[in-house]
Amino acid sequence: QVRLLESGGGVAQPGGSLRLSCTASGFIFTNFGIHWVRQAPGRGLEWVAFIHGTTSYYTDSVRGRFTISRDNSKNSVYLQINRLTMDDTAIYYCVKVRNSTPRGPFDHWGQGALVTASS
Amino acid sequence: IQMTQFPSTLSASVGDRVVITCRASQSIDVWLAWYQQKPGKAPKLLIYDASKLETWVPSRFSGTGSGRQFTLTISSLQPDDVGTYYCQQYHDFSETFGQGTKVQI
Repeated sequence: QVRLLESGGGVAQPGGSLRLSCTASGFIFTNFGIHWVRQAPGRGLEWVAFIHGTTSYYTDSVRGRFTISRDNSKNSVYLQINRLTMDDTAIYYCVKVRNSTPRGPFDHWGQGALVTASS
Repeated sequence: IQMTQFPSTLSASVGDRVVITCRASQSIDVWLAWYQQKPGKAPKLLIYDASKLETWVPSRFSGTGSGRQFTLTISSLQPDDVGTYYCQQYHDFSETFGQGTKVQI
């Protein structure tokens, strides 16, 4: 079955960096777009970034600070978070698009990785 | 594209018909999904392309709409339906979510 497993969450100081990893299994990894969605404590869902092939896109608030990448040989997607701010504190979910398109509904979600900005 | 979802919370009785509305700031055709999230869990896809149910979803759930206005209906609310529901547009690359509707019994 499809599985998405995030790792790399933790606590970092404002201005610091973290790298999240998402390892996928159970589907043909190269065929599907992978996105990151985050949820601040007690708040709603916010789309963050996606990657499909060599195409990537970011929400405005993270563009220039976050970098999404993928390693098809490892069935993995990464989210490098730089210049961390308090507003980045959230659970980060790795999600898979339902169809073989860059955009689309997210039919599988990881369990989430908690990122906390704290001094 | 901005997604406006309402109400933000609703409380209903078991067996009630419940309607949640989502409005897009511009036309998104039928490129809309609904998710259900339970406390402490990741969201689950309920409905995609505005009206297509995922295989696990009970038939009391339905989705309608196109263009800018969409609805999620639960025909007979059950205790297991408690949670927060989100709409999401995937018409463009910023796949924005609505603010969520918390459904309580």
